[in-house]
Amino acid sequence: NAGVTQTPKFQVLKTGQSMTLQCAQDMNHNSMYWYRQDPGMGLRLIYYSASEGTTDKGEVPNGYNVSRLNKREFSLRLESAAPSQTSVYFCASSKDSFSTGELFFGEGSRLTVL
Amino acid sequence: KQEVTQIPAALSVPEGENLVLNCSFTDSAIYNLQWFRQDPGKGLTSLLLIQSSQREQTSGRLNASLDKSSGRSTLYIAASQPGDSATYLCAVRPVARAGSYQLTFGKGTKLSVIP
Repeated sequence: NAGVTQTPKFQVLKTGQSMTLQCAQDMNHNSMYWYRQDPGMGLRLIYYSASEGTTDKGEVPNGYNVSRLNKREFSLRLESAAPSQTSVYFCASSKDSFSTGELFFGEGSRLTVL
Repeated sequence: KQEVTQIPAALSVPEGENLVLNCSFTDSAIYNLQWFRQDPGKGLTSLLLIQSSQREQTSGRLNASLDKSSGRSTLYIAASQPGDSATYLCAVRPVARAGSYQLTFGKGTKLSVIP
């Protein structure tokens, strides 16, 4: 049971470089999310996709872009990485984005920007 | 703005003890509340989901309660084991005008169960 799979698990970037974090779920969920987790800040929503073909900004979208490639896959792109984007990134999915949706998380991607 | 608080931030108990973790939230207009476990360097694992119409949910040695009117939830762990050592987070799904996509998370309680 793979659930939510993220790649890569670790990445080191230099300031200004770009990269894409990949996420795939095999639970036939409609909604997918990208969060970042920072010490003392908790989990914050970057972007979400309520359903295939739609994406919307969350609490902290600046410096990021997303693509909902299909129902299974949701990628997060950093166009020009900054040290402030050093964080642990989590992808999550839920059956739907309405009231009853239980959230399932991936293992995380640890990004360091030098 | 919804705020979720978990106190204490850290808790250490001897093995075998029953314990309670607390979660409070400022706005009672929620659809549900979810408890998660996070092991070091790992993702979040869903433990229990309580809908706003429910009072409690149970899974094995875990029991979560919800008092929406007072803005409180508790996670009860019976007969704690060293393997229960982890950070426990709660999150609420708010009733929001623009949809309820954005959960609000607490910062977690780090539990250590001492053998």
